[in-house]
Amino acid sequence: QVQLQESGPGLVKPSQTLSLTCTVSGGSISSGDYYWSWIRQPPGKGLEWIGYIYYSGSTYYNPSLKSRVTISVDTSKNQFSLKLSSVTAADTAVYYCARVLRQWLSPDYWGQGTLVTVSS
Amino acid sequence: EIVMTQSPATLSVSPGERATLSCRASQSVSSNLAWYQQKPGQAPRLLIYGASTRATGIPARFSGSGSGTEFTLTISSLQSEDFAVYYCQQYNNWPCFGQGTKLEIK
Repeated sequence: QVQLQESGPGLVKPSQTLSLTCTVSGGSISSGDYYWSWIRQPPGKGLEWIGYIYYSGSTYYNPSLKSRVTISVDTSKNQFSLKLSSVTAADTAVYYCARVLRQWLSPDYWGQGTLVTVSS
Repeated sequence: EIVMTQSPATLSVSPGERATLSCRASQSVSSNLAWYQQKPGQAPRLLIYGASTRATGIPARFSGSGSGTEFTLTISSLQSEDFAVYYCQQYNNWPCFGQGTKLEIK
């Protein structure tokens, strides 16, 4: 059973960089059948796909966030990470990491999510 | 940018009855559509991908249909655990979600 767990600060100051890591257990991040993604959900609102990465390091970013987003992978640790720069209050959200079916681009396993609040 | 519109925003249905949720794309997404269920305080759960294929472990009472711009998620006989928010998601272009339909007990 694949499990994903997000970790990182729950509070980030405006203009700083949000950094989160997702640790994958019960399966290898190097499996060629999946992408690994970050998706967020502002409180009480809908879902927004931030970006995703393949184990080889190929990345795909939401055009609306591309200038601020970096997703990286560490296959030796079975982890992938998110960095979102120049954050504002609008970036306050629950951030989910998820495994994505590569052929169908649909997340089938999700982490529990972590709330990141942007506030001074 | 493809915009996904779900209707209705809220659907009130009695347990045991059928629920029909709609999702419309602003342009054709072929069959590149998925459905998710989300309960309060939980991550979304994949129900359907490829417009009509049930994900692993999803009960047969959940079915998806449609192609192009019009899609439907049907829950044939509502169980108490089915009351939740449902999202559609297209992946024909950059993946994006609809705004959700809240399925509540009538």
